[in-house]
Formats: sequence, structure tokens, C-alpha cells
Amino acid sequence: DAGVTQSPTHLIKTRGQQVTLRCSPKSGHDTVSWYQQALGQGPQFIFQYYEEEERQRGNFPDRFSGHQFPNYSSELNVNALLLGDSALYLCASSFGQGNNQPQHFGDGTRLSIL
Amino acid sequence: GENVEQHPSTLSVQEGDSAVIKCTYSDSASNYFPWYKQELGKRPQLIIDIRSNVGEKKDQRIAVTLNKTAKHFSLHITETQPEDSAVYFCAASRAGNNRLAFGKGNQVVVIP
Repeated sequence: DAGVTQSPTHLIKTRGQQVTLRCSPKSGHDTVSWYQQALGQGPQFIFQYYEEEERQRGNFPDRFSGHQFPNYSSELNVNALLLGDSALYLCASSFGQGNNQPQHFGDGTRLSIL
Repeated sequence: GENVEQHPSTLSVQEGDSAVIKCTYSDSASNYFPWYKQELGKRPQLIIDIRSNVGEKKDQRIAVTLNKTAKHFSLHITETQPEDSAVYFCAASRAGNNRLAFGKGNQVVVIP
């Protein structure tokens, strides 16, 4: 049973560039949430996708956008990268939306902005 | 929005002793409280969770207690082992939300 998988593992970009991160949920899960984890901090909620729509959003600017595909996989896009966007980006999947089912995390994508 | 705080930030215990980490939350509508363990360079791993309709839940050496009146919940690890050394995060979310608000984490060090 495959767990949550994310790609790429590491990514280095420069300021102003754009990046796309990918996530495949755990088998049987249909909801994908994205979190940003700065060094030494807890994960911060970015947004959540269910039925190919953004259902909830945290306190992140419009530079952060996403998408969910019919197979439940998801992408996180960040435009006009800033130094402060350097962080570990985590994807979590769960079953159902709005019912507080356990969320399972992937290994994350480590994004470094130069 | 929800604000979750964890205390203490770092906890050192002798192997075999117990460790207790406490979290407080601000949103009285929160009803789901998971705990995650994150080892260095690895993914957060769900180790136990509790919902607001129960006051305590136990799974082998790990237990979680919830006090809704005081708005705090605690993780208890008994008979600690070196492999329990990690950062532990508490989180909270409200019904119909599934949006986890995390604390800043507690570094637990088990001294052999």
C-alpha cells in the first residue's frame, strides 16, 4: 500500500522564479492538504483540495496556487519566489472532506531560494 | 484562527522514565487533536489522536488526555526508549474543517 509520495525531493530556485511541486495521495484517500514547514517550526496550512476544488485556504498570498486532478493527485505552484519561501513543503492526504479524518504526510519537498 | 501552543520546547528524560508534553489551544470549537512525531529529515508521523467526545486514549506506551474546559491536551510517553527521541507536534482542528493548526513542536531527548 503506497503512502503519500511527493516530488521532487529537493529543489533550488532563484528569486522571482516559479515552482511546481507534486503530490500523490495514499491509496484510498481523496483529499489533499498542503503545508509549509519553516526550519524549527510546525507546519503551516496553505490550502486543501477535494473533488478538484480548493476547499479551504490558510493565510498565504495568491502567489501560492494549486490544483487537484481526477486521480486525486495534486500540485502546488508558487510564483514570484521570495527568499522567505525557502521551507519544507509537505503534502498530507486523508479520506473525505470536513470530517477530521487522520492526515498522513509525505516526505516533503525541500525548497531553497537563492 | 486557532492558536496552538506547546510546552516545554525541549524535554530531556532518562531512558525508562516518562515524558509529558502539554498543548493549549484557543478555539473552543476545535474537536480533533492529533499528535505527530517527526524525526530529523523525515515526515511527520501520526502517532495518536483524540476527539473531543473522549477524555483519554491510550496506545501501548503512548496516551493522550484532553481537558476541554481548560482547553489543553497532553501526550504521555511511558518507559521511554532512545528511539522516542524526536520532535513532537500537537495540532488541532474544528469540526467540518480538517485544517490542522500545529504547535511549534517539542524536542524530546531520551538519554540512554
